[in-house]
Amino acid sequence: EPEVTQTPSHQVTQMGQEVILRCVPISNHLYFYWYRQILGQKVEFLVSFYNNEISEKSEIFDDQFSVERPDGSNFTLKIRSTKLEDSAMYFCASSGRGWINTEAFFGQGTRLTVV
Amino acid sequence: GQQVMQIPQYQHVQEGEDFTTYCNSSTTLSNIQWYKQRPGGHPVFLIQLVKSGEVKKQKRLTFQFGEAKKNSSLHITATQTTDVGTYFCAGPGGGYQKVTFGTGTKLQVIP
Repeated sequence: EPEVTQTPSHQVTQMGQEVILRCVPISNHLYFYWYRQILGQKVEFLVSFYNNEISEKSEIFDDQFSVERPDGSNFTLKIRSTKLEDSAMYFCASSGRGWINTEAFFGQGTRLTVV
Repeated sequence: GQQVMQIPQYQHVQEGEDFTTYCNSSTTLSNIQWYKQRPGGHPVFLIQLVKSGEVKKQKRLTFQFGEAKKNSSLHITATQTTDVGTYFCAGPGGGYQKVTFGTGTKLQVIP
C-alpha cells in the first residue's frame, strides 16, 4: 500500500539552528500539507501546497517557515532560527484530489526537539 | 476564525461499553472527515460525510453528520482495547486547501 514517508523520525537541534524536515508524498498525489502537533494537543494546520506553490498557510506559518518541492518526489519544510516552542511532531500529508474532496494520507511524523 | 471543538476531551470506558464523541464547528461545513490517531502514531482516515443528516457505519463505528452541517458524532458500540486512541474530526477550514482538525477526544479502554 502506498504511504507517505518522512525523515528523520526524530531530530534534535540547538535553539537558533535551521532544520529541514523531509517528506516523500504518495507518488501520484498532487496536494501536499504540513501539520504540527505539540505533545498531547490538537493537530494544527501549517501550510498546503499545490502546483509548486503555497495554496494556504496559517498564522503559524510565518517567515520562519518555508516549503519546497525541490524535485519530483520530495516535499520539505524548512524551519529557520528554531525556538523552543517549535518542539512538536511535524506531520506531512498528501492527497490525490485535494483534501476538501477526499482523504489525506499522513506520514509517520518527525519529532522535532529544540534544546 | 473557524473553530472545531470536540467533547469530551477524554473518555475512559470499560471494555464492552459504548463511546460517543461529538464535534461542533463554528461554521457550516461542506463535508466532515474523521481520523483516528493511535498513541504515538499519526492520524489515519476513517470516513468522510458530505450530505446533511448523513449516517455511515463501519462495523462497530457509526458516524453522523448533523442536519445543519455544523456538527457530527462518532459512536462506537461495545468498545475493544484496539479502539484506544484519539479521535479527531476535521473539516474545511475556510480556505481552498485548509483543513481544520477538531480538538480531539482521547479514548482509553479499560480491559
